Amino acid sequence: QVQLQESGPGLVRPSETLSLTCSVSGGSLGSYYWNWVRQPPGKGLEWIGFIYQGRTTNYNPPLQSRVTISADTSKNLVYLSLRSLTAADTAVYYCARESVVTPGFVSWGQGIPVTVSS
Amino acid sequence: DIQLTQSPSFLSASVGDKVTITCRASQGINNRLAWYQHQVGKAPKLLIYAASTLQSGVPSRFSGSASGTEFTLTISSLQPDDFATYFCQQLNIYPWTFGQGTKVEIK
Repeated sequence: QVQLQESGPGLVRPSETLSLTCSVSGGSLGSYYWNWVRQPPGKGLEWIGFIYQGRTTNYNPPLQSRVTISADTSKNLVYLSLRSLTAADTAVYYCARESVVTPGFVSWGQGIPVTVSS
Repeated sequence: DIQLTQSPSFLSASVGDKVTITCRASQGINNRLAWYQHQVGKAPKLLIYAASTLQSGVPSRFSGSASGTEFTLTISSLQPDDFATYFCQQLNIYPWTFGQGTKVEIK
């Protein structure tokens, strides 16, 4: 069974860059869409974007200028980079696997809480 | 963006109750809607995809239905492990969007 685990800093300063890693075990990155999603405190989920086959990306327009999703297929790692942070970026960040066949996120990580504060 | 309006935001129910949660899309989404269960401290879990298809391994007391832009998740007989937050997601048009969630608590 494929498992996803997010890792990274829990506290980041405003204006800095958030770097998160999603470690995938029990399978390869293969032909799946690897998504990042976040949930600010007290708010709903927001889709950030995905990477497919290690190179094709698609981002949510409000975040597009600040976000980069990349992957190391040899290490089964997916990365999120979010620049120019503000307090509004405080959230729990999730990585999730989306099948090309099943319209849904078939696997999720447990999420990592990130606080943006000085 | 496609808006998903989920209701209710909160419901209190007892073990054995039938529970219904609704998700309304702001426009047609070709039934490309998924339902998830999220328990505190755990990874969200896919329950239903394509509006009414049960994900492998999900108990049959969960079901989904669609009527136009209105989608429903039904739990036929609530079990202790079902107390969680449920949310919907549309995967028809980017950006993918989510409902605000429904928290199901024990009465």
